[in-house]
Order: sequence, then C-alpha cells, then structure tokens
Amino acid sequence: NAGVTQTPKFQVLKTGQSMTLQCAQDMNHEYMSWYRQDPGMGLRLIHYSVGAGITDQGEVPNGYNVSRSTTEDFPLRLLSAAPSQTSVYFCASSTPQGSSYNSPLHFGNGTRLTVT
Amino acid sequence: AQSVSQHNHHVILSEAASLELGCNYSYGGTVNLFWYVQYPGQHLQLLLKYFSGDPLVKGIKGFEAEFIKSKFSFNLRKPSVQWSDTAEYFCAVNAKGGSYIPTFGRGTSLIVHP
Repeated sequence: NAGVTQTPKFQVLKTGQSMTLQCAQDMNHEYMSWYRQDPGMGLRLIHYSVGAGITDQGEVPNGYNVSRSTTEDFPLRLLSAAPSQTSVYFCASSTPQGSSYNSPLHFGNGTRLTVT
Repeated sequence: AQSVSQHNHHVILSEAASLELGCNYSYGGTVNLFWYVQYPGQHLQLLLKYFSGDPLVKGIKGFEAEFIKSKFSFNLRKPSVQWSDTAEYFCAVNAKGGSYIPTFGRGTSLIVHP
C-alpha cells in the first residue's frame, strides 16, 4: 500500500534548469494537488487537479506547470528554475466523499529542492 | 475565498502542560475543518477533522478540537503534552461548494521540553 509517492526526495538545480517532480498515487483518488512549504509561510497551493484532464492554478502557480493525463500521476514541472523556488514540495491526494467533501489529504514524503 | 489564521507561530511547553492552539477561518458558508501534524522530517498527516455533528472532535494521540461557529474558530487542545508531540501543526479549511482543495494556515511550531 504505497499511498502517495514522490520522487526525487532531494534535488539541486542551477538557475535556469528545468526539471519535473514526480507524484503518483495508487488510491484511485480524484483530487491531486501540489504545495510548497516555506518557513513561516505554511503550505501554499501551487496547482491542483480534480480529475484526469483537469488542472487549475492555486495561490502560487507562476514558474510551474502541471498536467494530469492519468488518475494516478500528477507531475510538477519547473520551467526555468529560480532561487525563489528553493523549497520543500509536497504532493497530496484526496477523494470526495459524497457531497460532504470532507476527505482529508494524503501527503507524499516531499521533495526538498535547492536552486543555486 | 476562504482564509485561515493561526495565531501562535511558536509555542514552547514543558511535558504535562496543557496545550491550546488557535485557529480562525474566514468564510461565510459551510466548512470542513482539519488539523494536520508534521513531525520533524516527515510529511503532514491528519490529526482530526470536523465536518458536521458534535462540535467537539476527538482525534489521535489525545488531541481534540472544538468548532465554535459563531467565532469562526477551531482551536486544538490537549490536556497534557508529551515530548513526542513536538511537531508543526497546521489548521486547514475546506469550503463546501468551493474547489474542495483546503487552504492551510501558516502553522504553529510546538516544542515540548522533557
């Protein structure tokens, strides 16, 4: 029972490089989301998806791209890395439970990204 | 859009002390409320949640939270903390009829001294 799997766990990039953070879940969850966590800022939503083929922007989408071609995968692409994107990135998934939408998020273990 | 405010950014307690962490949200409609905990070096995990019914919610590890609708609050409490409760605590709100993706507060760092 893997849950939400993120890779890589650590990454160092140079300014201007691009890369993709991988996220996969095996719980058949419809909702997936990406957050970044910075000291004193809590978790800020980057992008989210409510189902395959549907994505939307969150609070801090600039510099990031996402796609959702399958229910299981939700990769996050950094188009041209900047030092301001140094952060810990968490992927999360959830599933709507009826009309209550009270399902909690299931988080991956995070990716610690450093941009120099 | 909803927002969440956590008033205590850093809390330091001794073991056996009582804990109360404040959380207020702003949204005029019906909400689901969550507390998540992040132990050092780990990912966030659910501590407890409220979506309807009894406003006093009990979670794991002896934590509880009370939803006070008139105050837009969902404070987290524990009568006697342990060293192992050292962690960061996040309040989150999910507005019914919204995007269903929760909004998080900035978190409260709790350090419990043995």
